[in-house]
Amino acid sequence: DTEVTQTPKHLVMGMTNKKSLKCEQHMGHRAMYWYKQKAKKPPELMFVYSYEKLSINESVPSRFSPECPNSSLLNLHLHALQPEDSALYLCASSQVDMGFLREKLFFGSGTQLSVL
Amino acid sequence: GQQLNQSPQSMFIQEGEDVSMNCTSSSIFNTWLWYKQEPGEGPVLLIALYKAGELTSNGRLTAQFGITRKDSFLNISASIPSDVGIYFCAGAISSGSARQLTFGSGTQLTVLP
Repeated sequence: DTEVTQTPKHLVMGMTNKKSLKCEQHMGHRAMYWYKQKAKKPPELMFVYSYEKLSINESVPSRFSPECPNSSLLNLHLHALQPEDSALYLCASSQVDMGFLREKLFFGSGTQLSVL
Repeated sequence: GQQLNQSPQSMFIQEGEDVSMNCTSSSIFNTWLWYKQEPGEGPVLLIALYKAGELTSNGRLTAQFGITRKDSFLNISASIPSDVGIYFCAGAISSGSARQLTFGSGTQLTVLP
């Protein structure tokens, strides 16, 4: 099973709403990632978790709050978002070898988020 | 940080034609990856390259890790309509405990019947 599953597939929210994006993988990967992608642009790294600990935060605004409850699950909590935050949010996972995050990322299908 | 120049930005080709795209960098990378992304989906890994000069095939796809470690190319032979999508190169270099990926800007491929 080489799947990374993301829910929901689509999300529309107002600027005062609180919502969460969910990601699950069962490949035994110990690194999980959140990326943001605008249309026809490459993915931009937001957060990296390694062994359930936040290891990289790419200066993401605090209205995005990641959480890694266990080695298979990754959440992204959203609060007070702006219209410019509308994008495809991708979850990915990778192996960790001897403390190094492996570069082969496996991506989910993404959540298409629209902020009104 | 590292930057990757991917070209061409877009391609319109006839079904059956061969396709070539490439990525160049001013910095050295340890790993090159090629992904394909279809509309409404996440990127799917096509080929991973780990050694300078390495040439790897995956069906009709062939990718090479440049000898200078600053470039990579992807060829698609005998294109078919399902090859449509955006192709991203990505380079990785070790930085501390992380191998950070840098993505190219993408090549939008359209295959005309």
